[in-house]
Amino acid sequence: DAKTTQPPSMDCAEGRAANLPCNHSTISGNEYVYWYRQIHSQGPQYIIHGLKNNETNEMASLIITEDRKSSTLILPHATLRDTAVYYCIVLFGNEKLTFGTGTRLTIIP
Amino acid sequence: GAVVSQHPSRVICKSGTSVKIECRSLDFQATTMFWYRQFPKQSLMLMATSNEGSKATYEQGVEKDKFLINHASLTLSTLTVTSAHPEDSSFYICSARDPGGSGTDTQYFGPGTRLTVL
Repeated sequence: DAKTTQPPSMDCAEGRAANLPCNHSTISGNEYVYWYRQIHSQGPQYIIHGLKNNETNEMASLIITEDRKSSTLILPHATLRDTAVYYCIVLFGNEKLTFGTGTRLTIIP
Repeated sequence: GAVVSQHPSRVICKSGTSVKIECRSLDFQATTMFWYRQFPKQSLMLMATSNEGSKATYEQGVEKDKFLINHASLTLSTLTVTSAHPEDSSFYICSARDPGGSGTDTQYFGPGTRLTVL
């Protein structure tokens, strides 16, 4: 029972902005949107999370639509080290975090 | 962000032996930690939830007598794979929940432990 839908793969040119979409049309009012990424053979890395408002930190920006049914993770200036599988996850604050298949982002030189 | 460590990063053992993996939250206290397993080209699968001072909660299909979890302190959880067999070879990853006080608790992950059972 997938809560989110992501494209299986995307390419982005090095130095350009990478925009990763996520659909979560059944999200409820108190569920957060989390983004993690997993670089090959490493543990997942927390990127950012949000509830309603757009969020920005040193890694990325998270844009959540007004109806909260979708969001976009933006890596402003992609580098080769950003090649990874990116996971969009919807959950309540203390809910167990489970992973779908994510989006495999490849940064092309 | 918060830091979670795992030890060892890589272990090779003979079939039938037991292997212990440690997971530590280095700069925060975690009442709840999680253990995941990841097979090649698959996503992470949650194995169990580790609660400080109480018994772990296992996901369906995970044998609690084979994967022993101990969460003796607020910064340490251990996973022991007992009587390991080749099919237990996998990438084991722990995470710890940081009660950041912002209305939601963010999970931070360790770097993972690659277990190979010969």
